[in-house]
Order: sequence, then structure tokens, then C-alpha cells
Amino acid sequence: GENVEQHPSTLSVQEGDSAVIKCTYSDSASNYFPWYKQELGKGPQLIIDIRSNVGEKKDQRIAVTLNKTAKHFSLHITETQPEDSAVYFCAASMNRGSTLGRLYFGRGTQLTVWP
Amino acid sequence: IAGITQAPTSQILAAGRRMTLRCTQDMRHNAMYWYRQDLGLGLRLIHYSNTAGTTGKGEVPDGYSVSRANTDDFPLTLASAVPSQTSVYFCASSAGQGSQPQHFGDGTRLSIL
Repeated sequence: GENVEQHPSTLSVQEGDSAVIKCTYSDSASNYFPWYKQELGKGPQLIIDIRSNVGEKKDQRIAVTLNKTAKHFSLHITETQPEDSAVYFCAASMNRGSTLGRLYFGRGTQLTVWP
Repeated sequence: IAGITQAPTSQILAAGRRMTLRCTQDMRHNAMYWYRQDLGLGLRLIHYSNTAGTTGKGEVPDGYSVSRANTDDFPLTLASAVPSQTSVYFCASSAGQGSQPQHFGDGTRLSIL
């Protein structure tokens, strides 16, 4: 199956700085890449996603980039705020066979934004 | 508010006991999933269902069973709980098969003693 690796596992930034989280995937058939934010005691919440026919997508302070050739994708958060502090997960999915629609998750990044 | 409801929110259980975690969604989504989340390991798929009446095994299915009698409900059963099943369990759903966004509940925190 697919293998998703995520780095770094922890990230601390000053309020107002940018944060970047990187993920790699192993199967070139993967074509859907969502990012989730998980706050303490809550379930993961989808914050942005990208499909393989697009190289970049933005939503206010959040952007995701995808490099299909290198099989990696990244989450960029600009002008970070303390409420951005959470665990972020990347994931990959493919439309193929028995794995149809299943998400394969990275191990998560604990982001801390200091005021 | 539409979404996924999981119950109970937390539970302490003696080893060897049977336990069913409940999951209900009101979005009429076809596909549903059960994950476990352990520190440092991220989210791992236990079982899934692409549509009512069908189920499949994920990465870590041993010791768990599921059923999908209707669209809205997807219970997860631990037939005989063991301490290694101590974890946080999340239920999720998506509109259909294929690469679709998944929506998660707030989890059940289960401790097996």
C-alpha cells in the first residue's frame, strides 16, 4: 500500500512567522492529498486539499503545493497565529482497486505558535 | 448541526470484556471508516465500508469487527478487549468511493485495563 512520511514531527514558530510542513508519498497512483488539523480532544478537521491535476492551491493564509514528479507535497501557513497551534496531518489517496478512496496518513506534526 | 456522532466519548474497560463503539452520521454519506490513533503512529485504518451492506479490512483489523446494516450507522465491536487496544478511536465518513474528503467525529477514548 501507500506510505506517507511527514516532517517535521514538531515545529515551533513565533507568531507572524510562516510554517511549512512537508510530506512524501510512495505510490505514483495517489491523486488526492488532504491536510487535516487536529485540536486537543477533537477529531481531525479538513483544512485544505489538492488533487493531482493542480500544482498549488490557496485558501487565505493556508496553501498547499504538490510536486508529482518528486512525489511530495507541502502545507504552508503564513502569518501564523496562536490559534494555529495544533497537530497537522497530511494524507494521500488513490482511485485504484481495493484501496479505492482509502486515506493513508502521515504521523503528524505538532505545531506550536508562540505569542 | 450535520456531522458524525460517536459514543461513548470515553470508556474504561476490563480486559476480556466485549465493547461496541457507536458511530452515526446524518450526511447520507455512502462510505464510512474506523481509525485508531496512537501517539507517534498517526491514524491507522481498522475497517471501512464503501456502502451499506459491505465492509472491508484496513491496516489493523485484528480483534475488531464492524457491521453496516444501514447508511447512517457503523458500529465497531471489540469482542474480547486487550490492553493493546487502548487508543483513541475515530469514525469518519465520505460522500462516496474514490478520493473524497473524509469528515471525522470527535473520537472515543478507550482504556483497557
